[in-house]
Amino acid sequence: SQTIHQWPATLVQPVGSPLSLECTVEGTSNPNLYWYRQAAGRGLQLLFYSVGIGQISSEVPQNLSASRPQDRQFILSSKKLLLSDSGFYLCAWSAKGFYGYTFGSGTRLTVV
Amino acid sequence: AQSVTQLGSHVSVSEGALVLLRCNYSSSVPPYLFWYVQYPNQGLQLLLKYTSAATLVKGINGFEAEFKKSETSFHLTKPSAHMSDAAEYFCAVMGGGSGGYQKVTFGIGTKLQVIP
Repeated sequence: SQTIHQWPATLVQPVGSPLSLECTVEGTSNPNLYWYRQAAGRGLQLLFYSVGIGQISSEVPQNLSASRPQDRQFILSSKKLLLSDSGFYLCAWSAKGFYGYTFGSGTRLTVV
Repeated sequence: AQSVTQLGSHVSVSEGALVLLRCNYSSSVPPYLFWYVQYPNQGLQLLLKYTSAATLVKGINGFEAEFKKSETSFHLTKPSAHMSDAAEYFCAVMGGGSGGYQKVTFGIGTKLQVIP
């Protein structure tokens, strides 16, 4: 069966520090991968999606970047965190034919 | 462009009462529709999905939703609420995208409180 792993679960970082969140999927190949951010009262905002290795699309301009160095690995990064980067970050995957998203357990990021 | 509107950011029901969470969609093409549930500090879990087959869709944990084209609605219901149903629920619509990517747009969510 397919599983998705996301870590860390919680993270407290100072303003201006770098960020790296990692997401890996097991049990499938060539998935679509997604990074979402969830802010209170604002639902889920799609940040990045990827349909293949090295293929990254950004939905909104921001202080963050994403990379997909391997088929089942998706990384969210920042060189210098801002206070506004605080939030709950969710990774998800879907099959190419799309049968629904499967989400990771999320990372609570607090920038102080 | 596709969109969903969830009516009511907070809903409270008594344990054993009917749960009704409202979702209206906007789509230029026949939509695929979804309901997800999120427990505190966890990811989202798929409850059920409509993919143009039966209009009444049954999901996990006793939830179901009915697709009504004339009303552009996809409301989520459960006959009898349990304390364990307290969570946040998201309606979503799929449409748009290209090159192997299917865009999913989520509503802002409805927090369900179950009162003992």
